[in-house]
Amino acid sequence: SQTIHQWPATLVQPVGSPLSLECTVEGTSNPNLYWYRQAAGRGLQLLFYSVGIGQISSEVPQNLSASRPQDRQFILSSKKLLLSDSGFYLCAWSVRGGREKLFFGSGTQLSVL
Amino acid sequence: RKEVEQDPGPFNVPEGATVAFNCTYSNSASQSFFWYRQDCRKEPKLLMSVYSSGNEDGRFTAQLNRASQYISLLIRDSKLSDSATYLCAVNRGGFKTIFGAGTRLFVKA
Repeated sequence: SQTIHQWPATLVQPVGSPLSLECTVEGTSNPNLYWYRQAAGRGLQLLFYSVGIGQISSEVPQNLSASRPQDRQFILSSKKLLLSDSGFYLCAWSVRGGREKLFFGSGTQLSVL
Repeated sequence: RKEVEQDPGPFNVPEGATVAFNCTYSNSASQSFFWYRQDCRKEPKLLMSVYSSGNEDGRFTAQLNRASQYISLLIRDSKLSDSATYLCAVNRGGFKTIFGAGTRLFVKA
């Protein structure tokens, strides 16, 4: 069966510090991969998606970036965090060709102080 | 106007009650519709897809009304374990799925 791993679960970072969140998927090949952010009491906002290694599409301009160095690995990064980057970050995958159904990782609660 | 809107609630219902949530979407080109369940500080989990003909999964029934652009979720015989936030999600056929902010449900003994 397919599983998705995301870490760390919680992170507290000072403003201006770098960020790296990692997500890996097991049990499937060529998944579509996504990064979402959920602010408190709000809906999920799509940040990035990827259909293959090195292929990244950005949905929202910001100081975050994403990379996909391997087929089942997706990384969210920032060089300098802002207070507004705080939130619940969720990695998700979908089957290639069945992209609508999303399966989420357990999320990272990021607090930027 | 948000593309997907939900009543945030909370809905407070006793065990055994029937409760219904609606979700409206603004883009008539939307093609796929879903309900997700999210427990506090956890990831959303797919509850069910929503089809034009309506679909049922145990105590849960989902319906789509394309003419009025809304989807609904009906929960019968509510259980304490149904307490959660229910997110509706809409996809236009691309890679972008739009989520509502969620409706909170509390089921009480």
